[in-house]
Amino acid sequence: KAGVTQTPRYLIKTRGQQVTLSCSPISGHRSVSWYQQTPGQGLQFLFEYFSETQRNKGNFPGRFSGRQFSNSRSEMNVSTLELGDSALYLCASSADRTYYEQYFGPGTRLTVT
Amino acid sequence: GQQVMQIPQYQHVQEGEDFTTYCNSSTTLSNIQWYKQRPGGHPVFLIQLVKSGEVKKQKRLTFQFGEAKKNSSLHITATQTTDVGTYFCAGRATGTASKLTFGTGTRLQVTL
Repeated sequence: KAGVTQTPRYLIKTRGQQVTLSCSPISGHRSVSWYQQTPGQGLQFLFEYFSETQRNKGNFPGRFSGRQFSNSRSEMNVSTLELGDSALYLCASSADRTYYEQYFGPGTRLTVT
Repeated sequence: GQQVMQIPQYQHVQEGEDFTTYCNSSTTLSNIQWYKQRPGGHPVFLIQLVKSGEVKKQKRLTFQFGEAKKNSSLHITATQTTDVGTYFCAGRATGTASKLTFGTGTRLQVTL
């Protein structure tokens, strides 16, 4: 099976702009989670989707949003970018929510200038 | 909210020495998973523990889940340079709606 893919891999944006990141899970996986990884904060949970429904949301401002489509592909959007949003954004998919491992994509490296 | 802490944050060992990282949750967990992230890479699943007191081994790696299901450990025997990376534990609090919370991670450096 093909792994989790994320596009784009690298992105440079300026403050105030918005960005949309895309994630295609492993075929058959219905759960997609998003994480923000920074050197100082580690892996911070953003959202979790299961069968197009947001099941959990992390402690991020409303500028961060996401959705999942009927084919399980997911997108996350960040509006009004701030310098502090510079990070590696990781998407992970799993077959189920609780007892299955997560398979991570390579991530999207976002730099906000 | 649920917090998962790992100690140490960083450890530097000589090849052949043992290494242990400890994971502590503020809440009881339904399961715990361990991931490894190589420098420049993404986290890769290593193992999952579900039962209280469970111990699992993968070659030189030994994983334990505490009796109270609030802590876990990963022990590597005779480290090798290929063990370099950051090790994360991740757990879900009991309850169907809980999210997977990652620990703060332990970065392991191994030198010859």
